[in-house]
Amino acid sequence: GAGVSQTPSNKVTEKGKYVELRCDPISGHTALYWYRQSLGQGPEFLIYFQGTGAADDSGLPNDRFFAVRPEGSVSTLKIQRTERGDSAVYLCASSYRPRGGNEQFFGPGTRLTVL
Amino acid sequence: DAKTTQPPSMDCAEGRAANLPCNHSTISGNEYVYWYRQIHSQGPQYIIHGLKNNETNEMASLIITEDRKSSTLILPHATLRDTAVYYCIVRVPGDNDYKLSFGAGTTVTVRA
Repeated sequence: GAGVSQTPSNKVTEKGKYVELRCDPISGHTALYWYRQSLGQGPEFLIYFQGTGAADDSGLPNDRFFAVRPEGSVSTLKIQRTERGDSAVYLCASSYRPRGGNEQFFGPGTRLTVL
Repeated sequence: DAKTTQPPSMDCAEGRAANLPCNHSTISGNEYVYWYRQIHSQGPQYIIHGLKNNETNEMASLIITEDRKSSTLILPHATLRDTAVYYCIVRVPGDNDYKLSFGAGTTVTVRA
């Protein structure tokens, strides 16, 4: 079956602009996660959704970052007033079992470049 | 605080076994050892996990020492497609631990 998909694969924007990154999880997966990966580092947790609600957003770096999952499937990560330091690969993952379980399935990521 | 320590890089020959070490000397009794890998330009991929017994699946084997302070991921017959960054993670799989805490991992290069 289809895996986790993310769009766009690449996004180039200018400092101060607003961007939206989309994640389509595996059908039937109730848990969804966003991570951010800077160059040369491992992914870092941003936010976790169980269904429609954000169960843990403790990894969001500041209030410019916001994510939604209105129907419990597709999620959108929104970044306002982008800064050059926001440049990274944003990864989305989903899992069947609530709150983790054995395996999180990752998408290919969206590479965000802020000029 | 890093819970695991891995060598930054290693090379291995195609067709040979690749043995990837991980130290987790502060692991607690209910924490499992997980391995993920990340091939270039892809998201991380789950490989295997274990608590204290050795585990094997179609991708790899996981050997955990008796004191559980270290483990080794074994790729039995490495191929060029196994070139990736390999992450060793310790966590408790359950309701309150869903974040994967990735370190820097080991960059494994399989050479022909």
